[in-house]
Amino acid sequence: QTVVTQEPSLTVSPGGTVTLTCASSTGAVTSGYYPNWFQQKPGQAPRALIYNTNNKHSWTPARFSGSLLGDKAALTLSGVQPEDEAEYYCLLYHGGTQFWVFGGGTKLTVL
Amino acid sequence: QVQLQQWGAGLLKPSETLSLTCAVYGGSLSGYFWSWIRQPPGKGLEWIGEIIHSGSINYSPSLKSRVTISVDTSKNQFSLKLTSVTAADTAVYYCARGSYGGNSADYWGQGTLVTVSS
Repeated sequence: QTVVTQEPSLTVSPGGTVTLTCASSTGAVTSGYYPNWFQQKPGQAPRALIYNTNNKHSWTPARFSGSLLGDKAALTLSGVQPEDEAEYYCLLYHGGTQFWVFGGGTKLTVL
Repeated sequence: QVQLQQWGAGLLKPSETLSLTCAVYGGSLSGYFWSWIRQPPGKGLEWIGEIIHSGSINYSPSLKSRVTISVDTSKNQFSLKLTSVTAADTAVYYCARGSYGGNSADYWGQGTLVTVSS
């Protein structure tokens, strides 16, 4: 069974920078996993932030960026705002079996 | 502006079939991927499956034996059926649109809470 792992929780100060990571049990995450990142606030549907590793949607704030960091996918928030407090999910494509797998989510606290 | 509006039965008994539909407004089904994703109460997101307008379908291995995703181009809708539901299938179900280039789900439906209880 394929497992995608994220940090369960992170805390950052307003104005600070934080990096969330996303690993796959199948091995190093590469661009071929097409990493996607989503933000979800309580009671709301998820909102897409990043697709295909580092591409932003038209609505994605500039302070969000995606990358590959070592053998993981990463989401970096620079100049964190209070409204960035949310749950963040990564999603990876596993081409061998043609399905996507979500990570367990990272609860980001802005304090 | 693309909008996805979904609906379906919210309360099922064990062994019944879950059926949800998602209508697409402001855009065509053609050229996109149409997905279903669920989220049990208080838990994380789970990808269920996707259908590409061309007809190719991919399902999560853990649900593959019970899931069917289909498209109705005449109504600009797509649907999810999940058979033999149990309490473990209780979740908020979301429909979403993806596209080529590694964009798995940019536009989402509002979500439908489906509860399985005897």
